[in-house]
Amino acid sequence: TQLLEQSPQFLSIQEGENLTVYCNSSSVFSSLQWYRQEPGEGPVLLVTVVTGGEVKKLKRLTFQFGDARKDSSLHITAAQPGDTGLYLCAGSTSGTYKYIFGTGTRLKVLA
Amino acid sequence: EAGVVQSPRYKIIEKKQPVAFWCNPISGHNTLYWYLQNLGQGPELLIRYENEEAVDDSQLPKDRFSAERLKGVDSTLKIQPAELGDSAVYLCASSLARGQGNTQYFGPGTRLTVL
Repeated sequence: TQLLEQSPQFLSIQEGENLTVYCNSSSVFSSLQWYRQEPGEGPVLLVTVVTGGEVKKLKRLTFQFGDARKDSSLHITAAQPGDTGLYLCAGSTSGTYKYIFGTGTRLKVLA
Repeated sequence: EAGVVQSPRYKIIEKKQPVAFWCNPISGHNTLYWYLQNLGQGPELLIRYENEEAVDDSQLPKDRFSAERLKGVDSTLKIQPAELGDSAVYLCASSLARGQGNTQYFGPGTRLTVL
């Protein structure tokens, strides 16, 4: 069973700081997604990456897919309290239509 | 456009009792998913439907869990009998079709507490 490990598990930072969340696996993924989930809500898709080495930006969020397509990172610049939430990566291996979710990173940004 | 609707939002039951969750996906979405999410962890797929056919139920504990999507639209997930370890959030999601990169839209979930 493939396993997606995220680090750190918890992160509490001050507003304005930068942070990076990592998503690692021993499996190769054909597609990897990042979600944010707020309390009492379902996850919301932020981005999908499919090419090794791909970098995508969404305002202050930068997503990178590893060259070998086994890992990914999410970098947030100048974090704001509105960025608070549970960040989840999810990977899909070639030939399947199923996304396996990572263990999650809970981020809290203090004003 | 309305999102994925789930009900109830919260449910508290005694162990060994039955419980059912309902999901109405986004209109026109052929693929429907049920996930289980424990506190602070990522969702785990229970079952995936393509229209009314369950195409992946390998993670569904079939001794106590069942699901149906009779007309290829709404779906119901049932647990009978519930156990203490079933306490979790049950999420429903839908997408236009299967396929890598196809966006899954999640409902708010049903939080189940088994006492």
